[in-house]
Amino acid sequence: RKEVEQDPGPFNVPEGATVAFNCTYSNSASQSFFWYRQDCRKEPKLLMSVYSSGNEDGRFTAQLNRASQYISLLIRDSKLSDSATYLCVVNDEWPDKLIFGTGTRLQVFP
Amino acid sequence: DAMVIQNPRYQVTQFGKPVTLSCSQTLNHNVMYWYQQKSSQAPKLLFHYYDKDFNNEADTPDNFQSRRPNTSFCFLDIRSPGLGDAAMYLCATGRGGRGTDTQYFGPGTRLTVL
Repeated sequence: RKEVEQDPGPFNVPEGATVAFNCTYSNSASQSFFWYRQDCRKEPKLLMSVYSSGNEDGRFTAQLNRASQYISLLIRDSKLSDSATYLCVVNDEWPDKLIFGTGTRLQVFP
Repeated sequence: DAMVIQNPRYQVTQFGKPVTLSCSQTLNHNVMYWYQQKSSQAPKLLFHYYDKDFNNEADTPDNFQSRRPNTSFCFLDIRSPGLGDAAMYLCATGRGGRGTDTQYFGPGTRLTVL
């Protein structure tokens, strides 16, 4: 079983749509969780951290369910510029060893 | 302002010809990481330095070495590149927390092996 699993997609959605990505992780002792965004042939960039209480940043909402070892990302009112690969990332160890999922590709069309 | 800088952005080398990739940071972070990312795959951690302490991942080939002469700089040396080493190489930095912090990535060096 992979340490961090994501649906690779692609998700093809029209502008304005709401889209949700899910991710599961295997290590129940994992400490912290993130969503990164990666554009084609670019480096990963931190999109947001994920907290147990859930957190929102504009059109983006992230949720964490520790009991189910499940992380989600919701994007509302999709824009063309949201087209990218979204990486689910779990921080397992000292010092901050990040475990990456393979990413979910999102394509927003006009 | 760029905080994690990688040079060169694109590197072409010949099969078996040694190559060195460079990373520098202005964040004064304790930890520097090197990742390899192949097309449509997740970044794969090769090794990291916590200050001067080197930590190799168990499955990193011996062909890959690293040097960290000071806090700001870290180098990735590929002694004898093979065709399978063609990839994006990402440098990242972190404060070195206890599983609570994130990492900051440089723009990457795309390596082509002919």
